Amino acid sequence: DVKVTQSSRYLVKRTGEKVFLECVQDMDHENMFWYRQDPGLGLRLIYFSYDVKMKEKGDIPEGYSVSREKKERFSLILESASTNQTSMYLCASSFIADNYGYTFGSGTRLTVV
Amino acid sequence: DAKTTQPTSMDCAEGRAANLPCNHSTISGNEYVYWYRQIHSQGPQYIIHGLKNNETNEMASLIITEDRKSSTLILPHATLRDTAVYYCIVRAANTGTASKLTFGTGTRLQVTL
Repeated sequence: DVKVTQSSRYLVKRTGEKVFLECVQDMDHENMFWYRQDPGLGLRLIYFSYDVKMKEKGDIPEGYSVSREKKERFSLILESASTNQTSMYLCASSFIADNYGYTFGSGTRLTVV
Repeated sequence: DAKTTQPTSMDCAEGRAANLPCNHSTISGNEYVYWYRQIHSQGPQYIIHGLKNNETNEMASLIITEDRKSSTLILPHATLRDTAVYYCIVRAANTGTASKLTFGTGTRLQVTL
């Protein structure tokens, strides 16, 4: 069964901490994406990557960075966590010719206190 | 990418067909219609997509009007497990790099006994 695995389901961090959210896919997908989801705002794209070491800003990249050192792994980094980054974070992946759409992980619910 | 309009919520009796409409009056000739759904506390799940012909798979059918300005997702025999938020997304065909999906707020489908 194909999978996108996010390292943590729930995470609680303190304001100012550096936070790493990890995502691994086992489908040899070229594309990987990070979204956040907030009530009333839907899913918003933070960053995406179409190849190793390549990254593109999404709609709300401020306060975040990403790393893609290996094809299967895409990390989202909160350099200095703030309370307004409390959210559900969703990772997704797809082939470049993504006729079968994106595959999403189950999400990481991050709370910054 | 073209914008979509969906009803905020719909109800459907279990065993009946659920017909979820989507308007995309500004769709361009090279834009596909994608449908995803998100069951509570999970990541979105790809359902189906199409360009101009009607499509069917094991999950659903997609009916696109001849002028392509609207479409309907049909779940032929809805079950309680189909209760979810359904997203209609319009997006151009992939050009070779990561082509992002933009999610709206979707339709919340409630399937009842």
